[in-house]
Formats: sequence, structure tokens, C-alpha cells
Amino acid sequence: NAGVTQTPKFRILKIGQSMTLQCTQDMNHNYMYWYRQDPGMGLKLIYYSVGAGITDKGEVPNGYNVSRSTTEDFPLRLELAAPSQTSVYFCASSWDGGANVLTFGAGSRLTVL
Amino acid sequence: AQSVTQLDSQVPVFEEAPVELRCNYSSSVSVYLFWYVQYPNQGLQLLLKYLSGSTLVKGINGFEAEFNKSQTSFHLRKPSVHISDTAEYFCAVMDTNAGKSTFGDGTTLTVKP
Repeated sequence: NAGVTQTPKFRILKIGQSMTLQCTQDMNHNYMYWYRQDPGMGLKLIYYSVGAGITDKGEVPNGYNVSRSTTEDFPLRLELAAPSQTSVYFCASSWDGGANVLTFGAGSRLTVL
Repeated sequence: AQSVTQLDSQVPVFEEAPVELRCNYSSSVSVYLFWYVQYPNQGLQLLLKYLSGSTLVKGINGFEAEFNKSQTSFHLRKPSVHISDTAEYFCAVMDTNAGKSTFGDGTTLTVKP
């Protein structure tokens, strides 16, 4: 089925380790987003991209990096993981960032110990 | 800048009773308005959206919302809830120019038998 695919679904990291959360969409959407969701909180935008080769910071970009080499893929890199990065991460995409709704992946639950 | 306030963090209600989930927003620019639903361990799904035109919008699963520009509100309603409506509900606003969404902190709707 068409949609947004995130891997891994679960991951436990030690403080200081690095990892990449993968996100792929097969809908030819131009816009892609990374959000984090902390318990009892809404989604906070980490980074977003309006097309291949273009990325920009959201509300909470510190400690993360992204790249967008293709339309389909938008990986999120965590360098030097910290306990404050324990969260559920959602990748989303939309056609043009305007009135079109966001299509979300199922989420990646990350725990940093 | 824009912000979203969901006025109730938790709403318990009995099955077949009506429910209203309240959402207020602030923005200095034109926005689109959305309600998303998140079932346990899943990503967010669109319930309904307001782009322009009629202020009463109907969504999936019998939900509807009314846009009130003077009160900057977008409250979600359902006349008769089911057990299956138990979920987290998020109100979101999107800046029509920048294509970025801001989410509220969510309202947990619990429907009791």
C-alpha cells in the first residue's frame, strides 16, 4: 500500500551513540517532515523539506540532522544521543505543503538510556 | 507565529453521549485548520479540515467541526460517540504560505460503556 514507511519501529540507544531513523514515501510528495511527540504533548516539528536538496529547521532542531537526496527519502540523524531525545518520532509527507493534508508514518519509538 | 490551544487534556464520556473537543488558535496570517486522530500505537490520521467556504465541515466517522473566525476557534463535535472513538485527538493549524503545521497538545477522548 502507498504511504509513509518508517524504520525502525523501536530502538534503544545508549547516551552518546548515534543512529539514523529512515523515512520513505512512495506518493511522489514534495514536502516531508519530521516530528517528535513527547508524552502528553503535541507534535513538535524538528526539520522539514520542500523538495530534494532543500531542508529547513523546525521548532526543535538541536541534536538532529537531515538530508533529502531523493524525493522519496528523508532520513533523520541523531548525533550523540541524549536522554532528552527519548520520544516517538513521526515522519510525514504532503503533496505541496498547502491545503493538502499530512500523511503520517506509524512512528519510531526511541529510548535513550 | 502561530499557536494552538486544546482546552481539555482529557475528556471522559459515556457511549452514545455527545462530545465536544475544544480548540483555539492564534495566528498573524491566514491558516488552514485540521483535526487529526491518533489510535494507540499508530500515526495520525485526518478527521477533517477547513480550508475556506462553509464554516461547518464534516469529516469521517460522524465528526464535524465549526470554524469561528471571531473567536479563533475550531471545536470538534460528535452527536453520539462509540467505544471505538477512544483515541487522542489533535487540532492543527497550517500557515498557508509556509506550509508548516503547528499542533496542539492533544485531547484524550475516553468513551466508557
